[in-house]
Amino acid sequence: GESVGLHLPTLSVQEGDNSIINCAYSNSASDYFIWYKQESGKGPQFIIDIRSNMDKRQGQRVTVLLNKTVKHLSLQIAATQPGDSAVYFCAETLDSGYSTLTFGKGTMLLVSP
Amino acid sequence: GAVVSQHPSRVICKSGTSVKIECRSLDFQATTMFWYRQFPKKSLMLMATSNEGSKATYEQGVEKDKFLINHASLTLSTLTVTSAHPEDSSFYICSAPMMTSGGNEQFFGPGTRLTVL
Repeated sequence: GESVGLHLPTLSVQEGDNSIINCAYSNSASDYFIWYKQESGKGPQFIIDIRSNMDKRQGQRVTVLLNKTVKHLSLQIAATQPGDSAVYFCAETLDSGYSTLTFGKGTMLLVSP
Repeated sequence: GAVVSQHPSRVICKSGTSVKIECRSLDFQATTMFWYRQFPKKSLMLMATSNEGSKATYEQGVEKDKFLINHASLTLSTLTVTSAHPEDSSFYICSAPMMTSGGNEQFFGPGTRLTVL
């Protein structure tokens, strides 16, 4: 289940389940969005991105959905594995160039065997 | 993918001292690099944009005299935390953008854990 509180929102799932992590972004003008995975004590790692002219993009075991109407992004991870346990951040920017990224709050995904 | 390194990975220093953190793009050139700080269980907050050959651009609320940035070459940016205090203890992360087949992608360093005693 998902819990929200003073700490990072946490999503706990069983190995093999599908996981859905949600993110609300802030700037309606943003047109490029990225999901990052951050393991403890490491820098963020790129997972998948999507431009605002798309509403869905699929990668290997991951899918990103974009709903511009409500400024909402989601990351779906299929057949979640223990190695997927990490904090996941969405980030938005005005274009896919050298513009600055604005990161969302993050969600901790815990996958139990 | 491209590799960005940071040095040191962790540093402990006494209050009042200065600490320099290096960010290097190992196999590509970066005219722009970004510096973030991250508190425990929090998101990344952009501190400044480092520009090779010109002054860094700082985000609102970030003291430029406190956090000195020098983009010495196309592969190196340094962040110096001057007169560090315990409240400066944080995880500092840099990133550098590079053009890939999918467009401009930002590559992040592994981070530097700073602890100020």
